Amino acid sequence: DTGVSQNPRHKITKRGQNVTFRCDPISEHNRLYWYRQTLGQGPEFLTYFQNEAQLEKSRLLSDRFSAERPKGSFSTLEIQRTEQGDSAMYLCASSSSEESEAKNIQYFGAGTRLSVL
Amino acid sequence: AQKVTQAQTEISVVEKEDVTLDCVYETRDTTYYLFWYKQPPSGELVFLIRRNSFDEQNEISGRYSWNFQKSTSSFNFTITASQVVDSAVYFCALNAGGTSYGKLTFGQGTILTVHP
Repeated sequence: DTGVSQNPRHKITKRGQNVTFRCDPISEHNRLYWYRQTLGQGPEFLTYFQNEAQLEKSRLLSDRFSAERPKGSFSTLEIQRTEQGDSAMYLCASSSSEESEAKNIQYFGAGTRLSVL
Repeated sequence: AQKVTQAQTEISVVEKEDVTLDCVYETRDTTYYLFWYKQPPSGELVFLIRRNSFDEQNEISGRYSWNFQKSTSSFNFTITASQVVDSAVYFCALNAGGTSYGKLTFGQGTILTVHP
């Protein structure tokens, strides 16, 4: 059983470019979360999918950010017109729906570290 | 709104010392879950323990133990006889369910360094 997989692990881009990250959750998990973690801070919630439906988005997710989970399996997070303030680690987590949303254990990937020059 | 505070930014100990990581939380929900995660240098958050708001029994797992006190809104984590491999960033997190769709609210993390 593989864990949560995120690609790429590192991304360096120039300001103004678009970037896309991919997350492959644990295969039987239908809940998927994106978080952002800046240096010295804990992860902050960005968005949540149950199957292909995006059920919640944080205020942190500006109009330049978009996330999709087209077939309820993998998910992508796109950032358009990147800014230096977007530099962070982007973490994906998945969980099963066997328990309540509050109770479920989220399993995290190793993240994609974005550096915007 | 939920909030988690880990007042200790960094802790440094020598191997075999015991160390306690503090976590204080705030929530208005009566049903909630608390978690501890470990983040080694590789970056992946590793789940350690989950506790629900109705179960105040302390828990021990090998060298790890957790003390949940609802009266002080604290969920502290103790490592006994620390080892170099315990060096990592440790996060406490709260999940209050309700309309939050299961999103975790994390503390700022505590960097633990265990010296040989």
